[in-house]
Amino acid sequence: QSALTQPASVSGSPGQSITISCTGTSSDVGGYHYVSWYQQHPGKAPKLMIYDVSDRPSGVSNRFSGSKSGNTASLTISGLQAEDEADYYCSSYTSTSAYVLFGGGTKLTVL
Amino acid sequence: EVQLVESGGGLVQPGGSLRLSCAASGFTFSSYGMNWVRQAPGKGLEWVSYISSGSSSVYYADSVKGRFTISRDNAKNSLYLQMNSLRAEDTAVYYCARVLTLSVLEPWGQGTLITVSS
Repeated sequence: QSALTQPASVSGSPGQSITISCTGTSSDVGGYHYVSWYQQHPGKAPKLMIYDVSDRPSGVSNRFSGSKSGNTASLTISGLQAEDEADYYCSSYTSTSAYVLFGGGTKLTVL
Repeated sequence: EVQLVESGGGLVQPGGSLRLSCAASGFTFSSYGMNWVRQAPGKGLEWVSYISSGSSSVYYADSVKGRFTISRDNAKNSLYLQMNSLRAEDTAVYYCARVLTLSVLEPWGQGTLITVSS
């Protein structure tokens, strides 16, 4: 049950766009359309931002978008804002003995 | 408003046991699968366990298999996690989370902290 691979940190200036990658295997990210992204501010519970690779829950800004190619999924945040500074986690359904795998998390810093 | 509230956290000695609870409100609890996810201090999220809406299917992470037991009481709108043989590496904030669709977790509770230490 290895975690999905994310960069430890990314940064960008207000107004810019950033992309966070999430790499798995054909048993998880590559094999299913069930990749999600969560945002977590310090001391808070995670919040769903993207599900099923590219769908946004109601209330989530359209500045957040998701995509997938092969075994790698990506989260793109456009028009960076100060409040986007947080930790971001990807997750995927997996056909292994686990139910869901998480990535190690990416700390987004808005410069 | 959909709400999940965890309770039962605290300090426990290595080898000890603890039972976490998660009270659900604002939705038809019996219609949704539920999960426990934990986060060690300063670390990332780790999925712990899943239970289907009717308790017919349960899954565990390898790290807790044989030590933790997930259960639910749909009449009480409550989810539980019985944790036995606790280890220092089980120290974490434990979140309960509803399954929105397959493997999609939303919302999450505020979490309850478990500290395993002598």
